[in-house]
Amino acid sequence: AQTVTQSQPEMSVQEAETVTLSCTYDTSESDYYLFWYKQPPSRQMILVIRQEAYKQQNATENRFSVNFQKAAKSFSLKISDSQLGDAAMYFCASNSGNTPLVFGKGTRLSVIA
Amino acid sequence: DAGVIQSPRHEVTEMGQEVTLRCKPISGHNSLFWYRQTMMRGLELLIYFNNNVPIDDSGMPEDRFSAKMPNASFSTLKIQPSEPRDSAVYFCASSLRTGRGYTFGSGTRLTVV
Repeated sequence: AQTVTQSQPEMSVQEAETVTLSCTYDTSESDYYLFWYKQPPSRQMILVIRQEAYKQQNATENRFSVNFQKAAKSFSLKISDSQLGDAAMYFCASNSGNTPLVFGKGTRLSVIA
Repeated sequence: DAGVIQSPRHEVTEMGQEVTLRCKPISGHNSLFWYRQTMMRGLELLIYFNNNVPIDDSGMPEDRFSAKMPNASFSTLKIQPSEPRDSAVYFCASSLRTGRGYTFGSGTRLTVV
């Protein structure tokens, strides 16, 4: 079974600064996917970024990028030039070709003006 | 594309009453998932369907919970009878297939008093 662990319940960052959210996972699958979801106060779950395990290149979406360390089973999210609208809960998640998404417990990110 | 549509957005009911949550997935998506979110347990998968067929309902907490997907465009999650500990946000999500990112609905916040 897949497991996802987020060890930082809360983080804070100054506006315009960079912050990194940590995530580790465990899986016996060779082909799997990793995701970061954002949940703002509106409670809508928004897909931020996606990484296929077979790809060595780290995924990037505008100010969001990941550091995927396959051997260490680590998948951290870096947010550059943080904005007030980035304040939210962030969930790391993983699945394989035939298994549903498993989520971490989440990290609450505060952005300080 | 209207996204995944859930109704109602909020539901307040008395203990012992039947509650029915509804979900319309994105057209063309073959997989549908029901998740429950609580502060204590985070996001838990309750049940998922592939091509309208229930694949895994091991996350359904008790026999009081049931889910159906009579066609590709509609699913229900029913709780009968409801209890205060069922209070949570219930999310429906859909995907082209199990091993891809999901699109979530806006969730139903259920309060059982």
